Amino acid sequence: KQEVTQIPAALSVPEGENLVLNCSFTDSAIYNLQWFRQDPGKGLTSLLLIQSSQREQTSGRLNASLDKSSGRSTLYIAASQPGDSATYLCAVSGAGSYQLTFGKGTKLSVIP
Amino acid sequence: GAGVSQSPSNKVTEKGKDVELRCDPISGHTALYWYRQSLGQGLEFLIYFQGNSAPDKSGLPSDRFSAERTGGSVSTLTIQRTQQEDSAVYLCASSHTLALLSNQPQHFGDGTRLSIL
Repeated sequence: KQEVTQIPAALSVPEGENLVLNCSFTDSAIYNLQWFRQDPGKGLTSLLLIQSSQREQTSGRLNASLDKSSGRSTLYIAASQPGDSATYLCAVSGAGSYQLTFGKGTKLSVIP
Repeated sequence: GAGVSQSPSNKVTEKGKDVELRCDPISGHTALYWYRQSLGQGLEFLIYFQGNSAPDKSGLPSDRFSAERTGGSVSTLTIQRTQQEDSAVYLCASSHTLALLSNQPQHFGDGTRLSIL
């Protein structure tokens, strides 16, 4: 059974810092990996999707990497801003599976 | 609408009552997904629809849970004889096709926060 772990559970940084969020998964036979953002009381917003054949994806100040063989992904946020404060969730799909398996998230606070 | 719409946004009900949660996906999206987000448990997949068909219902936690989709659009998730452990946020998502086979992201609604007293 696929398990997804995100470390740390919470992170507080001053504005302007670069930061890295970590995600690990136990079964490397994944189809893709997605990073989502969730604001309090809201649904999930898809940030980046990395296919299993890819190593990284970039969108603006966000860069996500994938090392499928070691079961790890990182989300790099450059020049953090208070508006980046949210919970960040990592999710993987198994090959041939329609199900997303989620980590429990990292709650990020960017202090002005 | 522009996004996935869920109603009600909040629902408080007594243990033992039935509840019905509604999801209106993005127009044209053929795939629809239901998830449950419980405190401390993370996000849990419940069921998905391709059109009006739900090929796999094994994610539903008990036989008190059922879901249907009509006209390839709106879906309802029904919980019968609610229990306190059913308290959670129920999220719905949709995508153009079966997202995980086409590498398209799922678009989520804001969820229904269900509280069972």
